[in-house]
Amino acid sequence: AQSVTQLGSHVSVSEGALVLLRCNYSSSVPPYLFWYVQYPNQGLQLLLKYTSAATLVKGINGFEAEFKKSETSFHLTKPSAHMSDAAEYFCAVIPQGGGKLIFGQGTELSVKP
Amino acid sequence: NAGVTQTPKFQVLKTGQSMTLQCAQDMNHNSMYWYRQDPGMGLRLIYYSASEGTTDKGEVPNGYNVSRLNKREFSLRLESAAPSQTSVYFCASSGHGDTEAFFGQGTRLTVV
Repeated sequence: AQSVTQLGSHVSVSEGALVLLRCNYSSSVPPYLFWYVQYPNQGLQLLLKYTSAATLVKGINGFEAEFKKSETSFHLTKPSAHMSDAAEYFCAVIPQGGGKLIFGQGTELSVKP
Repeated sequence: NAGVTQTPKFQVLKTGQSMTLQCAQDMNHNSMYWYRQDPGMGLRLIYYSASEGTTDKGEVPNGYNVSRLNKREFSLRLESAAPSQTSVYFCASSGHGDTEAFFGQGTRLTVV
């Protein structure tokens, strides 16, 4: 069955530092891949998605992610963290042929002044 | 547009009581989902519906039932609530496979 793993349940960075959140998927055929963000006491909203067009995907709020088939990864990055980026981030996958949307365990991002 | 609407937002149940969580979407989406969110566990899929009239179990279906009443509505029922079902529940909907899922605001359920 399709699965997705996020390395690191908590990541803490200083304001202005690089943000790197890791996501790996497990399937022989690359799925569609998504990053969602959840702010406290809210639902989830889409940051960006990979749908087999470009391997480097740009999203909202300065985030981007690179799909690497050889590493079965889809890591999320942002060059310079802002206090407002503090939230929980989820990687998710869905098979290209359609099916269930499965989420990783989530990574809580803290940003220190 | 309302998007995905869940009711209620908060609920406290006693062990053994039953309840139904309601979800409706107005985006004409085929796929709908129910997830539960617990600390450190991410979002775990309870049930999934690919289209009206079809449902499929997710990762944690035990203790739950669902009904896809029509294209708009997808309800989640707890027949006999247990403390282990204390969680935040999210409903979501999506169109074709590569399109984003839209989420409701969640239902915070406590079973005592």
